[in-house]
Amino acid sequence: SAVISQKPSRDICQRGTSLTIQCQVDSQVTMMFWYRQQPGQSLTLIATANQGSEATYESGFVIDKFPISRPNLTFSTLTVSNMSPEDSSIYLCSVERTGDGGYTFGSGTRLTVV
Amino acid sequence: TQLLEQSPQFLSIQEGENLTVYCNSSSVFSSLQWYRQEPGEGPVLLVTVVTGGEVKKLKRLTFQFGDARKDSSLHITAAQPGDTGLYLCAHRTSGTYKYIFGTGTRLKVLA
Repeated sequence: SAVISQKPSRDICQRGTSLTIQCQVDSQVTMMFWYRQQPGQSLTLIATANQGSEATYESGFVIDKFPISRPNLTFSTLTVSNMSPEDSSIYLCSVERTGDGGYTFGSGTRLTVV
Repeated sequence: TQLLEQSPQFLSIQEGENLTVYCNSSSVFSSLQWYRQEPGEGPVLLVTVVTGGEVKKLKRLTFQFGDARKDSSLHITAAQPGDTGLYLCAHRTSGTYKYIFGTGTRLKVLA
């Protein structure tokens, strides 16, 4: 299965600033998925990123707050914009596994907004 | 949206004990996945179950898919501290490539 490198692994940011999270996959994939995991919670899908087209956002998430880039088939970024303490979460990227279903995840970015 | 409810939400047990985690929904699934997430890491896929009544074993972990494919269970025998983590069930929403995750069970195994 694919290997995903995600960075940064963690960051502490001031409110009002922005942070860009990067995910690099070791193989070409059509879709990449970005999830948010709030403290002590499960995973919520933010958006699906396809190469060459605008990302598709889930209800409650908007492009102005979470702009996504997908410049090629192995790379994607998620920006958390104009951050507030409520944005403190773990952000995860993932790709679908071939064959047995499910996802392979990056190791996550733990974001704390102060 | 097909919701996945997991129980219990939290579980703290002693090393060597057995436990079962449940994943339930009112909807029928074509397949269901179980993941384990350790602190500081992303979730890691443990198993996919596809057939109603299917049982899969992964060392001390036994996964079962309900006959009606609406529920699943994960049983751990003789739990060890290394089993500590967040256990998540998930399924792919029909007609899409998106996966919905269950509410999660946070397990702590004490030495």
